[in-house]
Amino acid sequence: GEDVEQSLFLSVREGDSSVINCTYTDSSSTYLYWYKQEPGAGLQLLTYIFSNMDMKQDQRLTVLLNKKDKHLSLRIADTQTGDSAIYFCAESPRRGSYIPTFGRGTSLIVHP
Amino acid sequence: EPEVTQTPSHQVTQMGQEVILRCVPISNHLYFYWYRQILGQKVEFLVSFYNNEISEKSEIFDDQFSVERPDGSNFTLKIRSTKLEDSAMYFCASSVYRGPYNEQFFGPGTRLTVL
Repeated sequence: GEDVEQSLFLSVREGDSSVINCTYTDSSSTYLYWYKQEPGAGLQLLTYIFSNMDMKQDQRLTVLLNKKDKHLSLRIADTQTGDSAIYFCAESPRRGSYIPTFGRGTSLIVHP
Repeated sequence: EPEVTQTPSHQVTQMGQEVILRCVPISNHLYFYWYRQILGQKVEFLVSFYNNEISEKSEIFDDQFSVERPDGSNFTLKIRSTKLEDSAMYFCASSVYRGPYNEQFFGPGTRLTVL
């Protein structure tokens, strides 16, 4: 079945780049997502990538997709303290479904 | 900016008791969802709801669970007889459309603690 794995914690210094990694299992996934959850708030869609793309850039965010290895990464350039949050990787669709399958989330801690 | 709201933010209950978790989806959205996240584990899909009926559910969503849209604004999740393992953060979400790209808007969650 579908499965998404990501590391639980990442600590970076303010101004450095952050790279959050994710692996997934469903090779038929059409869309892959990154959601962000700030303290006390719900998950918010940050960015997504179609499975026929290798890379997507959106301001400080760069998403890289390696379909062969089923590996997705999110790079945040010039990480700020406001980027501290939990980042969830998700894949969609499940077979016959449009419900995303989420990972556990990676807690990004940005320290001065 | 419209947002999904959930009440209460934290619910403590005794094992065997019934709980109702409440959500107010974004007003023009048509699809509604419940997810849960047990501490340290993955966000798991429970159920989706459209046009006043369940459109999809996971194996977690057994007879102890039910959902309802009692009026034009609220969307509720009921757990009939809570178990210790039901302790989790429960997220409600809503979306305009259903499809591979269907941005779901999530509420802040209700933390359910079963003692």
